[in-house]
Amino acid sequence: ETGVTQTPRHLVMGMTNKKSLKCEQHLGHNAMYWYKQSAKKPLELMFVYSLEERVENNSVPSRFSPECPNSSHLFLHLHTLQPEDSALYLCASSQGQTIQETQYFGPGTRLLVL
Amino acid sequence: AQTVTQSQPEMSVQEAETVTLSCTYDTSENNYYLFWYKQPPSRQMILVIRQEAYKQQNATENRFSVNFQKAAKSFSLKISDSQLGDTAMYFCAFMTGRSNFGNEKLTFGTGTRLTIIP
Repeated sequence: ETGVTQTPRHLVMGMTNKKSLKCEQHLGHNAMYWYKQSAKKPLELMFVYSLEERVENNSVPSRFSPECPNSSHLFLHLHTLQPEDSALYLCASSQGQTIQETQYFGPGTRLLVL
Repeated sequence: AQTVTQSQPEMSVQEAETVTLSCTYDTSENNYYLFWYKQPPSRQMILVIRQEAYKQQNATENRFSVNFQKAAKSFSLKISDSQLGDTAMYFCAFMTGRSNFGNEKLTFGTGTRLTIIP
């Protein structure tokens, strides 16, 4: 495995379900990100983790709960989502804690909430 | 707050032609970084090119080059000798140059869908 991987690639869930998205980076990076990509809207940064510590939360609803157990893995736990949460969820990673490191993206999880 | 504007939602060109995608941004910062990302139908975002604002020389990567006009806050991407594999969504992105982590985040434009016609 190389780069940034995400599972599952596609997910359909009901509003009462609980599911988790997984991201894994094989680049030795120290920072990881969750983005939401909706149609015709700019990518929205949801969460940033640096060295497993959350450093940014852009006022994301509590029905999205991130978890970063180590610098290689990032999860997004989902519960009681709404149909408007249907989107492509992208994970990214970058090298360091400072400077403007390039972010490397995973292939995304296409989420549909019914 | 920084904003990034891509005014061309869709473009199409013939294979082997040159195409230029436009991007403008708004910021009060003097030190920042600009990126072009490509997102093919497979959905994975791939970095195409990166430009540091303090560098006057335009960045180039093989067939991809940028025209960075700092005063005009413009950052266009030129693709030369376009190929079918260049068909994708292209996103322009901006990041500030502050040193403390946590304040740096990519601000993306809405993207330009580029289609290369055989």
